[in-house]
Amino acid sequence: GAGVSQTPSNKVTEKGKYVELRCDPISGHTALYWYRQSLGQGPEFLIYFQGTGAADDSGLPNDRFFAVRPEGSVSTLKIQRTERGDSAVYLCASSLRGGGNEQFFGPGTRLTVL
Amino acid sequence: AQSVTQPDIHITVSEGASLELRCNYSYGATPYLFWYVQSPGQGLQLLLKYFSGDTLVQGIKGFEAEFKRSQSSFNLRKPSVHWSDAAEYFCAVVTIGSSNTGKLIFGQGTTLQVKP
Repeated sequence: GAGVSQTPSNKVTEKGKYVELRCDPISGHTALYWYRQSLGQGPEFLIYFQGTGAADDSGLPNDRFFAVRPEGSVSTLKIQRTERGDSAVYLCASSLRGGGNEQFFGPGTRLTVL
Repeated sequence: AQSVTQPDIHITVSEGASLELRCNYSYGATPYLFWYVQSPGQGLQLLLKYFSGDTLVQGIKGFEAEFKRSQSSFNLRKPSVHWSDAAEYFCAVVTIGSSNTGKLIFGQGTTLQVKP
């Protein structure tokens, strides 16, 4: 079956612009996660959705970052007024439920802010 | 706070040699532990996981890991490395939390290079 997909695979933008990153989870997975991976580092948690609601957004670095999942499936991570420090690979993962269930990762979106 | 440490940033082994990648964690309760592999241009793939029970767990691609509570370690091993094992390896611990989040906390990763 289809895995987690993310679009675009690469995004180059200018400082100050707005970007949207999309994640399409595995069908039937109620839990969805966003992580950010900077160069040479492990992924860092950003936000967790259970269904349509953001159950844990403790990893969002500031109020420029926002994510939605309006129908409990596709999710969009939105970054306003991008900064060069936002450059990273943004990973999405989904699992059947939250908790300790296995998370399946997408290939990521590489964001470059010039 | 929960954390994961992978002491070795980069490891080089010869093809056919054995491999051990180290992982130490800090977590207040019994941890759920994972090893993921990330190949260039590909997503993270789960190699194996430990939740409870037998402390030696078997995974895919011939990998195994041993949970040692007394040492707060969860080292990854493979008896004979193949050239295709060259990749980045991440150890992670799950924190469940009050909202049943299950967020993964990753180590910084170990890059494995395999010499022919």
